[in-house]
Amino acid sequence: DTAVSQTPKYLVTQMGNDKSIKCEQNLGHDTMYWYKQDSKKFLKIMFSYNNKELIINETVPNRFSPKSPDKAHLNLHINSLELGDSAVYFCASSPAPQGKAEAFFGQGTRLTVV
Amino acid sequence: GDSVTQMEGPVTLSEEAFLTINCTYTATGYPSLFWYVQYPGEGLQLLLKATKADDKGSNKGFEATYRKETTSFHLEKGSVQVSDSAVYFCALWSTGGGNKLTFGTGTQLKVEL
Repeated sequence: DTAVSQTPKYLVTQMGNDKSIKCEQNLGHDTMYWYKQDSKKFLKIMFSYNNKELIINETVPNRFSPKSPDKAHLNLHINSLELGDSAVYFCASSPAPQGKAEAFFGQGTRLTVV
Repeated sequence: GDSVTQMEGPVTLSEEAFLTINCTYTATGYPSLFWYVQYPGEGLQLLLKATKADDKGSNKGFEATYRKETTSFHLEKGSVQVSDSAVYFCALWSTGGGNKLTFGTGTQLKVEL
């Protein structure tokens, strides 16, 4: 009964490839997020969706495109992968975009670009 | 914009030692404050939270008090265990900050026997 699940957990791919990471939450939350964690453990938000609509888009290259087919899913597609994209990507969800609610995180996807 | 500053790690303690991890913040309005913990190879889990000034969050022996006057939310535990070894993140959530969690850089804690 995983609350926020991401697949795959590990992804190793070559430069220039296109890859996707999938995320699903079964908590009934309205808002979902993608965060990137670099090699020094620093966490930075990339995107936020509320009820399938984009509400936060930080300074992220156009090669990254989130897609939310419904409010329970937020997938991340990455085109033309670069070495610097290697990181751990975390999906998260919360009941609402504003306020005091806790965000629930997935287990992370470790992306390695070679 | 919003920001969170945490003490740099790694912090290495002996079992049963007292733990303090400092966290200060800058935010517009009245943010909610959180401590998240990341165990090796896992995602982040909420450890505790406080949503207004003078609130104390507590969980699993950890405590933190929302201090508006010093803009701080320091994490403390009276007696750490080896199982507490993890990375700890201080975070804030404010509407003025774009309705998102802003994290500190994380502090790695290693507890030894």
